[in-house]
Amino acid sequence: DAGITQSPRHKVTETGTPVTLRCHQTENHRYMYWYRQDPGHGLRLIHYSYGVKDTDKGEVSDGYSVSRSKTEDFLLTLESATSSQTSVYFCAIGQGSLTGELFFGEGSRLTVL
Amino acid sequence: QQQVKQSPQSLIVQKGGISIINCAYENTAFDYFPWYQQFPGKGPALLIAIRPDVSEKKEGRFTISFNKSAKQFSLHIMDSQPGDSATYFCAASSPNAGNMLTFGGGTRLMVKP
Repeated sequence: DAGITQSPRHKVTETGTPVTLRCHQTENHRYMYWYRQDPGHGLRLIHYSYGVKDTDKGEVSDGYSVSRSKTEDFLLTLESATSSQTSVYFCAIGQGSLTGELFFGEGSRLTVL
Repeated sequence: QQQVKQSPQSLIVQKGGISIINCAYENTAFDYFPWYQQFPGKGPALLIAIRPDVSEKKEGRFTISFNKSAKQFSLHIMDSQPGDSATYFCAASSPNAGNMLTFGGGTRLMVKP
């Protein structure tokens, strides 16, 4: 398995509180991604990074911010969590090569009450 | 706007049968079409992938069929086994978008013994 660790794996929080999810990789891959998974919607890209301090928005970026200060860490922050952000969040890494293969972490289940 | 549409949402197949999952896409810039397999509590993992220069790719019991003119591709699982029970996602990416994957909505496959 690719060396990807997500933390926390489970979190329950209340509406309006800030939440940070962490993704840590040991593969030295250039690209890192945050996806959310919801029934019927598959996986939707929130933000991605193509290098240290280089990030860009994905399909569903509203309400989320990211930071990447080191190659191995990619943080996803919900500044003020809402119930619509209840989801399973997946971090993925890739080399950005022609194969396009992404390696996924095991997910972080977030519940916003 | 869902750029990759997947059907069916769920599928029940008897052991030994053929499972067929279909996907359609809109963006003609897509040039890489992978299928990911996800077991409960795990992140998705690459199963098989194809590029549009071939119409079919087979790996063991898994086959991708690709129809460029119709902008459709499908996954066939031959001799389906209970261990194949999982959620399957089709996806697509284009080189001018950092090889970011756009996923279909997913198909939950159950193979009955």
